[in-house]
Amino acid sequence: SSELTQPPSVSVSPGQTASIPCSGDKLGDKYASWYQQKPGQSPLLVIYQDTKRPSGIPERFSGSNSGNTATLTISGTQAMDEADYYCQASDSSTEVVFGGGTKLTVL
Amino acid sequence: QVQLVQSGAEVKKPGASVKVSCKASGYTFTSYDINWVRQTTGQGLEWMGWMSPHSGNTGYAQKFQGRVTMTRNTSTTTAYMELSSLRSEDTAVYYCARDSGFCTNGVCFNWFDPWGQGTLVTVSS
Repeated sequence: SSELTQPPSVSVSPGQTASIPCSGDKLGDKYASWYQQKPGQSPLLVIYQDTKRPSGIPERFSGSNSGNTATLTISGTQAMDEADYYCQASDSSTEVVFGGGTKLTVL
Repeated sequence: QVQLVQSGAEVKKPGASVKVSCKASGYTFTSYDINWVRQTTGQGLEWMGWMSPHSGNTGYAQKFQGRVTMTRNTSTTTAYMELSSLRSEDTAVYYCARDSGFCTNGVCFNWFDPWGQGTLVTVSS
């Protein structure tokens, strides 16, 4: 199955914009999803079908996907957004793949 | 509300099997596939496979082929994941998750919402 690559960590100041990239071969031809996971909790879907937000997810979360890179963007980042973030897609063999995860630090 | 509630923590010896349950409520159980994902301590998410509660059809990640079995009981709206020949590397939190995506022309687009609370499986002699 194909791989998805994320940076291990991203830091952002409160109120600033955080961008978390996820790269994979022809990722733009697939749908990317993003999950937020806080310590001791289950993953929470924050973006699906590249750009859509589930009900209850704040508008400051947005997504894009083109070429080989999908990006999760958090505008006006808050302390509560500090968490691990995982991208996910399905590859051509219908196996599901997750990225290695990115720890977002708000400092 | 849509909810997946998993069974409690397990401790198993190497070579044994474990069966984790996932009870669904708040939606039509047979309308959405259930996927299983595991997470080892401090590590990322690893997809194990899917099961259709409607048909019972399954698809497993190559890594787990021959060791994992996913089943369901539609009368109790419960999905099960059984992993055999356990080894220490299988120590992890196991999650079930509802697949809210779709397949078209043989290509599937998956996203998982919601997730169960997770079940810690510890493999130790």
